[in-house]
Amino acid sequence: KAGVTQTPRYLIKTRGQQVTLSCSPISGHRSVSWYQQTPGQGLQFLFEYFSETQRNKGNFPGRFSGRQFSNSRSEMNVSTLELGDSALYLCASSRAGGPRDEQYFGPGTRLTVT
Amino acid sequence: AQSVTQLDSQVPVFEEAPVELRCNYSSSVSVYLFWYVQYPNQGLQLLLKYLSGSTLVKGINGFEAEFNKSQTSFHLRKPSVHISDTAEYFCAVSDYNFNKFYFGSGTKLNVKP
Repeated sequence: KAGVTQTPRYLIKTRGQQVTLSCSPISGHRSVSWYQQTPGQGLQFLFEYFSETQRNKGNFPGRFSGRQFSNSRSEMNVSTLELGDSALYLCASSRAGGPRDEQYFGPGTRLTVT
Repeated sequence: AQSVTQLDSQVPVFEEAPVELRCNYSSSVSVYLFWYVQYPNQGLQLLLKYLSGSTLVKGINGFEAEFNKSQTSFHLRKPSVHISDTAEYFCAVSDYNFNKFYFGSGTKLNVKP
């Protein structure tokens, strides 16, 4: 069974640009969560999608947005990039997003903003 | 809101020695508790989780953790570590209305030969 895949793995962008990251969950998983990982702030929850609906959102500005498609694949978009957006972005999938469902993490997308 | 404190940012230990990675959480409601491991340039992998029942939870790779409700702790232990256990370990908590995790800041375990 294929794991969670994230594309691209590495990305370099300039301040002010926008970026879209992609996450393909494990087949059969309907919940996808996104996290930002930085050395200073650690792992922070961005948002979670289930059946194409955002169910929960962390404390990030509106520049961070996401969506989920009918095949459960998810994208995350960051507009007007800032230097502080440089981070490892992780997505995780689970069957239904409940606590008894194990979350499986992808390898992440390393975003560098210059 | 929940919060998770991992008391040690780095733990050096010699191979075959025991190790304990500490985790405390604050929550006014019942929670679920997790430990994840992250190897360099990889995502997180679940080591173990506490949902209910026995307070001693056994996970993969010989790790175990004990849930202590009175001390709001969930410390991770391994009786004998290997070089391959060198990684960063994250404690996480979610409440019963699970839709997101709160992660600790991580503990880097460095196993020396």
